[in-house]
Amino acid sequence: QVQLQQWGAGLLKPSETLSLTCAVDGDSFSNYYWSWVRQSPEKGLEWFGEITHSGYTTYNPSLKSRVTISVDTSKNQFFLKMTSVTAADTALYYCARGRRFDYYYGMDVWGQGTPVTVSS
Amino acid sequence: DIQMTQFPSSLSASVGDRVTITCRASQSISHYLNWYQQQPGKAPKLLIYAASSLLSGVPSRFSGSGSGTDFTLTISSLQPEDFGTYYCQQSYITPYTFGQGTKLEIK
Repeated sequence: QVQLQQWGAGLLKPSETLSLTCAVDGDSFSNYYWSWVRQSPEKGLEWFGEITHSGYTTYNPSLKSRVTISVDTSKNQFFLKMTSVTAADTALYYCARGRRFDYYYGMDVWGQGTPVTVSS
Repeated sequence: DIQMTQFPSSLSASVGDRVTITCRASQSISHYLNWYQQQPGKAPKLLIYAASSLLSGVPSRFSGSGSGTDFTLTISSLQPEDFGTYYCQQSYITPYTFGQGTKLEIK
């Protein structure tokens, strides 16, 4: 049974870079889309983007200028980096597995979430 | 971006009740609509994809319907473990977007 285990710094100062790691345990890294989603009271659930095992990325245009999603297939891990954080980036960050169901798509496995607070 | 709007934002129902949650997309998304359940302190859980297909293991009391811009999630007979917040999400086009959620409380 696949599990996603995520970690990263939980307290940042404004202008710093957020870095999160998500490790995929118990399943093939191929044939899926590896996503980042955040959740805050102000914006609800917000999809950042996704990456395939081959490194093909799709980003949310509203965040693209600050966000990089990358992958290390040798470790079955993928990563989120977001530069120049502000208080508005305070949220609970999730990694998730996206999969195809025929022509359709859904995120069927999620990490446990990493709370991130941005404060001076 | 496609905007997803859910109705109601919260509701309270009794065990055994039939519950319906509505989701509306700002443009047609065909059947590219997912439903998630999130319980306090936990990550969202995918229940339904393609508007009406139940993920394996999801109880059959959950059902989804709709196409185009209007969708519904129905719980045919509410159980105590069904409390939580339900979200719709469109997967028609990126960026994937979510509704603001419907908080379901058990009376």
